[in-house]
Amino acid sequence: EIVLTQSPATLSLSPGERATLSCRASQSISYYIAWYQHKPGQAPRLLIYDASNRATGIPARFSGSGSGTDFTLTISSLEPEDFAVYYCQQRSIWAPLTFGGGTKVEIK
Amino acid sequence: QVQLQESGPGLVKPSQTLSLTCTVSGGSISSGVYYWTWIRQPAGKGLEWIGRIYISGSTNYNPSLKSRVTISLDTSKNQFSLKLNSVTAADTAVYFCARGVGAPNQYYFDSWGRGTLVTVSS
Repeated sequence: EIVLTQSPATLSLSPGERATLSCRASQSISYYIAWYQHKPGQAPRLLIYDASNRATGIPARFSGSGSGTDFTLTISSLEPEDFAVYYCQQRSIWAPLTFGGGTKVEIK
Repeated sequence: QVQLQESGPGLVKPSQTLSLTCTVSGGSISSGVYYWTWIRQPAGKGLEWIGRIYISGSTNYNPSLKSRVTISLDTSKNQFSLKLNSVTAADTAVYFCARGVGAPNQYYFDSWGRGTLVTVSS
């Protein structure tokens, strides 16, 4: 199983600040990573797929980067609606798909 | 756009079978190349992929749950379902249904339901 470790567990920031979230894989997964946003009581939303591609309708302030084992989700300037939990997910051909434990972005 | 909605009992007794249904609206479950998937999240823990079904009926399950899981499709009702037998308290979780896009065992989820809490307790 490929383990995804997200850090930090919690990120306390103010609106307008930059958020940098990390996802590290236990083995190389090329660029096969996605990022989701999840708010309580809502359906999770796909933000980024294949490391750096924004999903349909996702604002440009969300960007993804990385390859191999280290990946980053960046929110360039936090809007009030961006405070949520973010998960990464891998789709490597070598193992069942798995998710990271999540990073909560909270208002400071 | 497609929407997914989970339904089923919120309380299941230990050793019994958990049964959930996902109703798809805004699109046909039979059209396109999609992998209809169940995912769960125990309280305070991360997301766990349970398994998926394709329109052909082919399934793929998480090895850790494979012996207890069955996912099926009902195209006439635009639904797919989850059965998990011999449940224990460890199966208490929020269960999500989702639509996977990509390759057969390599996909992401572009649509999700809001999730439904299932508690295993006597």
